[in-house]
Amino acid sequence: KNQVEQSPQSLIILEGKNCTLQCNYTVSPFSNLRWYKQDTGRGPVSLTIMTFSENTKSNGRYTATLDADTKQSSLHITASQLSDSASYICVVSPELYGNKLVFGAGTILRVKS
Amino acid sequence: DADVTQTPRNRITKTGKRIMLECSQTKGHDRMYWYRQDPGLGLQLIYYSFDVKDINKGEISDGYSVSRQAQAKFSLSLESAIPNQTALYFCATSDLGRIYNEQFFGPGTRLTVL
Repeated sequence: KNQVEQSPQSLIILEGKNCTLQCNYTVSPFSNLRWYKQDTGRGPVSLTIMTFSENTKSNGRYTATLDADTKQSSLHITASQLSDSASYICVVSPELYGNKLVFGAGTILRVKS
Repeated sequence: DADVTQTPRNRITKTGKRIMLECSQTKGHDRMYWYRQDPGLGLQLIYYSFDVKDINKGEISDGYSVSRQAQAKFSLSLESAIPNQTALYFCATSDLGRIYNEQFFGPGTRLTVL
């Protein structure tokens, strides 16, 4: 069964600190992996999208990595800000143009001042 | 994303009532989707549509129906709401032919069934 597992479930860090969120997947075949940020009361917004041939991709203070061999991805947040408080969702697509995305449950990040 | 709007944003209803959630988009995308989000679970696909004449069931379509009234409008109905349909519902859109099928989400509707 296609699955995406994220860890930790939740995380609290101090403003200015870095953190790394993990994603393991068993989706096959594999086309691409994306990270979404979901603010409370809002819909998910895409941060990065990576194909199997990409190892890393950055979007400002967010850097995603992908190891297609071990089926693991991580999202690293640098110099966290209060506005980074949100749920971060890892999503895997089995198909290039496909519709059937597999969503992780998300990691809830809280940044404290 | 303001390009994808959902109404209502919040709704409380009773068991057995028929409910309609509406989604509109100004992105000009062909594909539209309805998802459900429960605490501790990933988003689950309810229905999706490639165009006005195309409707497809997702993972959890039982108890739901949809209508694609126009390219820009996609409605989700709960024929007879039950408490375990209490959840956050998201509409999403994507552009046919755009690789990676990037989906753009609406702000969500919080539905409570008593």
